[in-house]
Amino acid sequence: EAQVTQNPRYLITVTGKKLTVTCSQNMNHEYMSWYRQDPGLGLRQIYYSMNVEVTDKGDVPEGYKVSRKEKRNFPLILESPSPNQTSLYFCASSTLQGRNQPQHFGDGTRLSIL
Amino acid sequence: AQSVTQLDSHVSVSEGTPVLLRCNYSSSYSPSLFWYVQHPNKGLQLLLKYTSAATLVKGINGFEAEFKKSETSFHLTKPSAHMSDAAEYFCVVILDSWGKLQFGAGTQVVVTP
Repeated sequence: EAQVTQNPRYLITVTGKKLTVTCSQNMNHEYMSWYRQDPGLGLRQIYYSMNVEVTDKGDVPEGYKVSRKEKRNFPLILESPSPNQTSLYFCASSTLQGRNQPQHFGDGTRLSIL
Repeated sequence: AQSVTQLDSHVSVSEGTPVLLRCNYSSSYSPSLFWYVQHPNKGLQLLLKYTSAATLVKGINGFEAEFKKSETSFHLTKPSAHMSDAAEYFCVVILDSWGKLQFGAGTQVVVTP
């Protein structure tokens, strides 16, 4: 089954404690992206990657890092989390073969930073 | 610059009645547009997409959307709401050829028996 898998689904942690949210896709997609979802703001892009070792900032990259060492994985790293990073996070992937391909989303990770 | 505006943050309908979710876009050329649905505790699922092939687009679960260039709109409709349609719906525009997306703020749909 084609899917994007995020872990963990829920996490409560404290300010300053480094954390990583993993994302893996099994569709051999080139493009992967992280979004955060906040009430009334829709989804905003944090970082994206167009292929292995190719990453770039989205609209709200401050306080986040990513890496793309393998095609299937795109972890999101919060080196020193702060309460304003409390949010619902989504990973997504899509093929770059052909124009305007829709993105496939994971089920989300709800982070609470105390 | 391209953007989308969802005109209603909340819509409440009775089961069996029509659903209309409004989306206006701003673009200097013909955009590519999607509607996604998000059920509670789930990711976003693609309902339908418009990529200039046809102005009336049919999607999954009985939804359809019509692209109207003169009105810069891409409203989502369904003739008869079902309880399972209760969810949040996002109108989305593609900003560039690499797939960068701009999301609307979302419309929460409540379906009452």
